[in-house]
Amino acid sequence: EVQLVESGGGLVQPGGSVSLSCAAFGFTFSSYWMSWVRQAPGKGLEWVANIKEDGSAKYYVDSVKGRFTISRDSAKNSLFLQMNSLRAEDTAIYYCATLIMVGGVTWYVDLWGRGTLVTVSS
Amino acid sequence: DIQMTQSPSSLSASVGDRVTITCRASQSISSYLNWYQQKPGKAPNVLIYGATSLQSGVPSRFSGSGSGTDFTLTISSLQPEDFATYYCQQSYSIPWTFGQGTKVEIK
Repeated sequence: EVQLVESGGGLVQPGGSVSLSCAAFGFTFSSYWMSWVRQAPGKGLEWVANIKEDGSAKYYVDSVKGRFTISRDSAKNSLFLQMNSLRAEDTAIYYCATLIMVGGVTWYVDLWGRGTLVTVSS
Repeated sequence: DIQMTQSPSSLSASVGDRVTITCRASQSISSYLNWYQQKPGKAPNVLIYGATSLQSGVPSRFSGSGSGTDFTLTISSLQPEDFATYYCQQSYSIPWTFGQGTKVEIK
Protein backbone atom coordinates (compact mmCIF):
# COMPACT_ATOMS: atom_id res chain seq x y z
CA GLU A 1 0.00 0.00 0.00
CA VAL A 2 1.23 3.46 -0.87
CA GLN A 3 1.56 5.42 2.37
CA LEU A 4 3.61 7.70 4.55
CA VAL A 5 3.89 7.08 8.28
CA GLU A 6 5.20 9.79 10.60
CA SER A 7 6.64 9.22 14.05
CA GLY A 8 8.59 11.04 16.74
CA GLY A 9 6.11 13.57 17.99
CA GLY A 10 5.37 14.23 21.64
CA LEU A 11 5.65 16.74 24.43
CA VAL A 12 8.83 18.82 24.49
CA GLN A 13 9.85 21.78 26.59
CA PRO A 14 10.42 25.22 25.11
CA GLY A 15 13.98 25.45 23.86
CA GLY A 16 14.14 21.69 23.45
CA SER A 17 14.61 19.48 20.42
CA VAL A 18 12.76 16.69 18.71
CA SER A 19 13.37 14.62 15.59
CA LEU A 20 10.51 13.55 13.37
CA SER A 21 10.68 10.64 10.96
CA CYS A 22 8.52 9.69 8.03
CA ALA A 23 8.67 6.21 6.52
CA ALA A 24 7.58 5.77 2.91
CA PHE A 25 5.93 2.61 1.63
CA GLY A 26 4.74 1.37 -1.74
CA PHE A 27 6.45 3.85 -4.07
CA THR A 28 9.90 4.85 -5.25
CA PHE A 29 10.80 7.31 -2.50
CA SER A 30 14.01 8.44 -4.19
CA SER A 31 12.05 9.80 -7.17
CA TYR A 32 10.06 12.37 -5.24
CA TRP A 33 10.58 15.76 -3.76
CA MET A 34 9.26 15.67 -0.20
CA SER A 35 7.74 18.20 2.15
CA TRP A 36 6.72 18.88 5.74
CA VAL A 37 3.49 20.79 6.32
CA ARG A 38 2.15 21.62 9.79
CA GLN A 39 -1.17 22.53 11.31
CA ALA A 40 -1.54 24.12 14.72
CA PRO A 41 -4.50 22.76 16.72
CA GLY A 42 -7.73 24.11 15.25
CA LYS A 43 -5.83 26.27 12.75
CA GLY A 44 -4.94 26.24 9.07
CA LEU A 45 -2.13 24.65 7.11
CA GLU A 46 1.42 26.01 7.01
CA TRP A 47 4.15 24.83 4.66
CA VAL A 48 7.39 24.17 6.56
CA ALA A 49 10.07 22.75 4.24
CA ASN A 50 10.82 20.97 0.96
CA ILE A 51 13.71 18.72 -0.05
CA LYS A 52 14.76 17.61 -3.51
CA GLU A 53 14.86 13.96 -4.55
CA ASP A 54 18.60 13.66 -3.91
CA GLY A 55 18.69 16.01 -0.93
CA SER A 56 20.76 18.60 -2.80
CA ALA A 57 18.20 21.40 -2.43
CA LYS A 58 16.23 22.40 0.65
CA TYR A 59 13.78 25.22 1.29
CA TYR A 60 12.26 26.49 4.52
CA VAL A 61 9.65 28.92 5.76
CA ASP A 62 11.39 31.86 7.45
CA SER A 63 9.97 31.09 10.90
CA VAL A 64 11.94 27.80 11.11
CA LYS A 65 15.14 28.72 9.26
CA GLY A 66 18.18 28.04 11.39
CA ARG A 67 16.14 25.91 13.82
CA PHE A 68 14.72 23.09 11.68
CA THR A 69 16.59 20.81 9.27
CA ILE A 70 14.94 18.63 6.66
CA SER A 71 16.84 15.57 5.45
CA ARG A 72 16.26 12.21 3.83
CA ASP A 73 17.77 8.74 3.57
CA SER A 74 16.75 6.97 0.39
CA ALA A 75 18.34 3.70 1.54
CA LYS A 76 15.85 3.73 4.41
CA ASN A 77 12.99 5.28 2.40
CA SER A 78 12.73 7.89 5.11
CA LEU A 79 12.29 11.64 5.52
CA PHE A 80 13.34 13.50 8.65
CA LEU A 81 12.78 16.83 10.36
CA GLN A 82 15.20 17.84 13.10
CA MET A 83 13.56 20.54 15.20
CA ASN A 84 15.71 22.59 17.60
CA SER A 85 15.10 25.63 19.81
CA LEU A 86 11.42 24.82 19.88
CA ARG A 87 8.84 27.47 20.71
CA ALA A 88 5.22 27.28 21.82
CA GLU A 89 4.17 28.43 18.36
CA ASP A 90 5.74 25.30 16.85
CA THR A 91 3.00 23.23 18.48
CA ALA A 92 1.24 21.49 15.60
CA ILE A 93 0.50 18.30 13.77
CA TYR A 94 3.39 17.75 11.36
CA TYR A 95 2.51 16.08 8.08
CA CYS A 96 5.01 14.43 5.77
CA ALA A 97 4.05 14.62 2.09
CA THR A 98 5.16 13.92 -1.46
CA LEU A 99 5.32 16.67 -4.03
CA ILE A 100 4.29 16.40 -7.65
CA MET A 101 5.55 18.71 -10.37
CA VAL A 102 3.35 19.12 -13.43
CA GLY A 103 4.47 20.47 -16.75
CA GLY A 104 7.88 21.20 -15.32
CA VAL A 105 6.53 24.21 -13.46
CA THR A 106 3.55 23.85 -11.16
CA TRP A 107 3.71 21.90 -7.91
CA TYR A 108 1.18 20.37 -5.57
CA VAL A 109 1.17 18.26 -2.43
CA ASP A 110 0.01 14.78 -3.32
CA LEU A 111 0.34 11.95 -0.79
CA TRP A 112 0.04 12.94 2.88
CA GLY A 113 0.81 10.98 6.03
CA ARG A 114 -1.55 10.96 9.00
CA GLY A 115 0.67 13.37 10.87
CA THR A 116 2.43 13.41 14.22
CA LEU A 117 1.64 15.91 16.99
CA VAL A 118 4.40 17.98 18.52
CA THR A 119 3.45 19.90 21.65
CA VAL A 120 5.87 22.50 22.98
CA SER A 121 5.01 23.29 26.57
CA SER A 122 6.56 23.42 30.02
CA ASP B 1 5.55 36.46 1.01
CA ILE B 2 2.38 35.97 -1.04
CA GLN B 3 -0.76 36.24 1.07
CA MET B 4 -3.71 34.05 0.16
CA THR B 5 -7.16 35.20 1.27
CA GLN B 6 -10.18 32.95 1.04
CA SER B 7 -13.81 33.93 1.27
CA PRO B 8 -16.02 33.18 2.93
CA SER B 9 -14.34 31.74 6.04
CA SER B 10 -17.37 29.51 6.51
CA LEU B 11 -20.65 28.80 4.83
CA SER B 12 -23.77 26.74 5.42
CA ALA B 13 -25.28 24.91 2.49
CA SER B 14 -27.69 22.12 1.73
CA VAL B 15 -27.15 18.91 -0.19
CA GLY B 16 -27.58 19.68 -3.86
CA ASP B 17 -26.56 23.33 -3.58
CA ARG B 18 -23.98 24.93 -5.83
CA VAL B 19 -21.12 26.21 -3.70
CA THR B 20 -18.44 28.70 -4.68
CA ILE B 21 -15.30 29.51 -2.68
CA THR B 22 -12.95 32.25 -3.74
CA CYS B 23 -9.24 32.71 -3.17
CA ARG B 24 -7.31 35.90 -3.82
CA ALA B 25 -3.53 36.19 -3.99
CA SER B 26 -1.70 39.33 -2.91
CA GLN B 27 0.19 39.31 -6.22
CA SER B 28 -0.11 37.46 -9.51
CA ILE B 29 0.61 33.74 -9.21
CA SER B 30 -0.28 32.81 -12.80
CA SER B 31 -2.06 29.44 -12.50
CA TYR B 32 0.07 28.05 -9.66
CA LEU B 33 -2.89 27.52 -7.40
CA ASN B 34 -4.07 24.31 -5.74
CA TRP B 35 -7.19 23.41 -3.78
CA TYR B 36 -7.31 20.88 -0.93
CA GLN B 37 -10.13 19.33 1.06
CA GLN B 38 -9.64 18.39 4.70
CA LYS B 39 -12.09 16.44 6.84
CA PRO B 40 -11.90 16.50 10.65
CA GLY B 41 -9.04 14.45 12.02
CA LYS B 42 -7.71 13.64 8.57
CA ALA B 43 -4.89 14.86 6.35
CA PRO B 44 -5.80 17.10 3.42
CA ASN B 45 -6.32 15.75 -0.08
CA VAL B 46 -5.71 17.64 -3.30
CA LEU B 47 -8.78 18.35 -5.43
CA ILE B 48 -7.53 20.77 -8.06
CA TYR B 49 -3.99 21.62 -9.16
CA GLY B 50 -2.74 24.24 -11.56
CA ALA B 51 -5.93 26.24 -10.91
CA THR B 52 -8.12 24.13 -13.20
CA SER B 53 -6.88 20.52 -13.38
CA LEU B 54 -8.95 17.93 -11.57
CA GLN B 55 -6.89 15.43 -9.59
CA SER B 56 -7.42 11.82 -10.62
CA GLY B 57 -10.21 10.20 -8.65
CA VAL B 58 -11.84 13.46 -7.61
CA PRO B 59 -15.53 13.73 -8.58
CA SER B 60 -16.31 15.95 -11.55
CA ARG B 61 -18.66 18.11 -9.46
CA PHE B 62 -15.50 19.87 -8.29
CA SER B 63 -14.01 22.45 -10.63
CA GLY B 64 -11.51 25.28 -10.44
CA SER B 65 -11.11 28.47 -12.39
CA GLY B 66 -9.08 31.65 -12.44
CA SER B 67 -5.59 32.93 -13.04
CA GLY B 68 -3.45 35.81 -11.91
CA THR B 69 -4.81 36.83 -8.51
CA ASP B 70 -8.40 35.60 -8.41
CA PHE B 71 -9.45 31.96 -8.23
CA THR B 72 -12.62 30.00 -7.60
CA LEU B 73 -13.44 26.48 -6.42
CA THR B 74 -16.94 25.38 -7.36
CA ILE B 75 -18.88 22.37 -6.17
CA SER B 76 -21.72 22.01 -8.64
CA SER B 77 -24.01 19.91 -6.45
CA LEU B 78 -22.97 19.55 -2.82
CA GLN B 79 -22.96 15.99 -1.51
CA PRO B 80 -22.96 14.82 2.13
CA GLU B 81 -19.32 13.76 1.89
CA ASP B 82 -18.29 17.27 0.78
CA PHE B 83 -18.82 18.85 4.18
CA ALA B 84 -15.25 19.72 5.08
CA THR B 85 -12.72 22.55 5.16
CA TYR B 86 -11.21 23.72 1.88
CA TYR B 87 -7.83 25.40 1.46
CA CYS B 88 -6.19 27.13 -1.48
CA GLN B 89 -2.39 27.10 -1.77
CA GLN B 90 0.05 28.90 -4.05
CA SER B 91 3.14 27.18 -5.41
CA TYR B 92 4.33 30.18 -7.41
CA SER B 93 7.07 31.16 -5.00
CA ILE B 94 8.72 30.05 -1.80
CA PRO B 95 7.43 30.25 0.89
CA TRP B 96 4.39 28.35 -0.31
CA THR B 97 1.36 29.73 1.45
CA PHE B 98 -2.17 28.55 2.15
CA GLY B 99 -5.39 30.42 2.52
CA GLN B 100 -6.97 30.44 5.97
CA GLY B 101 -9.57 27.85 4.97
CA THR B 102 -13.28 27.77 4.24
CA LYS B 103 -15.42 25.50 6.37
CA VAL B 104 -18.46 24.12 4.55
CA GLU B 105 -21.17 23.11 7.00
CA ILE B 106 -24.57 21.51 6.72
CA LYS B 107 -27.51 23.90 6.64
